[in-house]
Amino acid sequence: KAGVTQTPRYLIKTRGQQVTLSCSPISGHRSVSWYQQTPGQGLQFLFEYFSETQRNKGNFPGRFSGRQFSNSRSEMNVSTLELGDSALYLCASSLDTQTYEQYFGPGTRLTVT
Amino acid sequence: AQKITQTQPGMFVQEKEAVTLDCTYDTSDQSYGLFWYKQPSSGEMIFLIYQGSYDEQNATEGRYSLNFQKARKSANLVISASQLGDSAMYFCAMREYSGGGADGLTFGKGTHLIIQP
Repeated sequence: KAGVTQTPRYLIKTRGQQVTLSCSPISGHRSVSWYQQTPGQGLQFLFEYFSETQRNKGNFPGRFSGRQFSNSRSEMNVSTLELGDSALYLCASSLDTQTYEQYFGPGTRLTVT
Repeated sequence: AQKITQTQPGMFVQEKEAVTLDCTYDTSDQSYGLFWYKQPSSGEMIFLIYQGSYDEQNATEGRYSLNFQKARKSANLVISASQLGDSAMYFCAMREYSGGGADGLTFGKGTHLIIQP
């Protein structure tokens, strides 16, 4: 069974631009969560999608948004990029919202210059 | 207040020794889950072990065991017979369960474990 895949793996953007990251969960998994990892703030929960609906959101500004498609693939978008958005963005999938175990993808490393 | 506290920023351990990584947590929920993840330098988060708040037995997965002390709100990871490949960042995390399902994972700051030959 294929694991969680994230594309692209690396990305360099300029301040003020926007970016879209993609995550494909493990086949059969319907819940997708996104996390941001920075040296200063550590790992922080962004949001979770289940059945194309956002069911949980962390404490991030509205510039961070996401969506989920009917095949459970998810995208997250960051608009008006700031230098502080430079981070490793990790996606995790689980069967549903009740299943405890989350499987992580390799992450997308975003650098904002 | 921090929900997950890992007090050891870094640890050096000799190969084949047992390692204990500390984790304390803070929650007022009765239903929650505790996790340990390993993150090698490649960046991917690898699930190691899970302990549910209602589980009476300590969780074990191969060389990993979780020393769960509910009254002390402690969930230490024990790695037996450490190997060079165990060198990595280790994160303790918690998931709280509300009526609508599980919340997102809350992570600690991590412990950088280095195994020396």
